[in-house]
Amino acid sequence: EAQVTQNPRYLITVTGKKLTVTCSQNMNHEYMSWYRQDPGLGLRQIYYSMNVEVTDKGDVPEGYKVSRKEKRNFPLILESPSPNQTSLYFCASTPQITGSTDTQYFGPGTRLTVL
Amino acid sequence: GDSVTQMEGPVTLSEEAFLTINCTYTATGYPSLFWYVQYPGEGLQLLLKATKADDKGSNKGFEATYRKETTSFHLEKGSVQVSDSAVYFCALTPYTGGFKTIFGAGTRLFVKA
Repeated sequence: EAQVTQNPRYLITVTGKKLTVTCSQNMNHEYMSWYRQDPGLGLRQIYYSMNVEVTDKGDVPEGYKVSRKEKRNFPLILESPSPNQTSLYFCASTPQITGSTDTQYFGPGTRLTVL
Repeated sequence: GDSVTQMEGPVTLSEEAFLTINCTYTATGYPSLFWYVQYPGEGLQLLLKATKADDKGSNKGFEATYRKETTSFHLEKGSVQVSDSAVYFCALTPYTGGFKTIFGAGTRLFVKA
């Protein structure tokens, strides 16, 4: 089944404790992206990657890191989480990097709480 | 910069009522426009899209027409069902490409039996 998976789905942690949220897609998509969803703000893009070893900042990159060592995986890293990073996080992938018409395929989300 | 504005919710309707969720956008050129739906506890999934002016996207009884003159992409459905209860997001991707997708704040829809 074609899908985007994220792990963990739920995470409660404390300020300053490094964490990684994994994202994997099995559709051979070139483009992947991370978003955070907050009430009243919709989804805001954190980072995106157009291919292996190619990443760039979105609208709200502060406090986050990403890497793209393999085409299928795009982990989100919080080196020193803070309470303002408490949010619902979504990973998404898209087949092509040249088509602004392309659909994004979303993972199920990771709900992160930073105490 | 580019932006998407959609009506605030929640919207509460009775089953079989007519639905309209307004969406307007600001963008240069001809962006692609999307409606995504998020059911409780799930990720977003594409509902419909339109990639050029006057295109109509449709799916599952939902429709939206890309109106360049009014910069709008309103979502409509003639008869909603309880199973349509979800959060609906309007989004655009700029014509210039890349993947700077911009989402609206989302509109929560409740449909009562």
